[in-house]
Amino acid sequence: EAAVTQSPRSKVAVTGGKVTLSCHQTNNHDYMYWYRQDTGHGLRLIHYSYVADSTEKGDIPDGYKASRPSQENFSLILELASLSQTAVYFCASSDKGHNAEQFFGPGTRLTVL
Amino acid sequence: AQSVTQPDARVTVSEGASLQLRCKYSYSATPYLFWYVQYPRQGLQLLLKYYSGDPVVQGVNGFEAEFSKSNSSFHLRKASVHWSDSAVYFCAVSTGFASALTFGSGTKVIVLP
Repeated sequence: EAAVTQSPRSKVAVTGGKVTLSCHQTNNHDYMYWYRQDTGHGLRLIHYSYVADSTEKGDIPDGYKASRPSQENFSLILELASLSQTAVYFCASSDKGHNAEQFFGPGTRLTVL
Repeated sequence: AQSVTQPDARVTVSEGASLQLRCKYSYSATPYLFWYVQYPRQGLQLLLKYYSGDPVVQGVNGFEAEFSKSNSSFHLRKASVHWSDSAVYFCAVSTGFASALTFGSGTKVIVLP
């Protein structure tokens, strides 16, 4: 069965600190995504990747970097965490094609203090 | 740029009653449309998707959606809800190269016993 896992599931970080969120998929999918969800809002795209060693900016990339070292792994990096980055972060993977279903991980709840 | 509007932030229905969730999109061409559901403390799961063909598309767990090009809408329906349908429902559109999704703000459905 398709699976997307995220680690950690929750994290508390200090303002100005570095945070790395990790995502691993066993779906053999080429496409991977990072979204953030703020309370009471939908998901917004931060970064995505369609091949290993390459990442693309999404709709809200400021303050975030991404890394795709392999097809299976996709990381989101906050070099200098800020209060405004407190949110739930979701990773997803999908096959090629606009009609392809995205498979989501369980999310990482990040609190920046 | 594309956008998705879900005008109802919260909907409360009684178990056994029918449900309709509204979604309107903004895009110049025919988009790829999706409905996802998010259960508490979980990632998103696909309910159904549409691109072409019969404007009424069937999904999982008795859900269906109807596409209207003239109204730029993709409303979700269920004839008889169960308490387990309590969740947040997201409408989304995919128009870009890497199948990234633009989400609406979501509708929280509360099913009363």
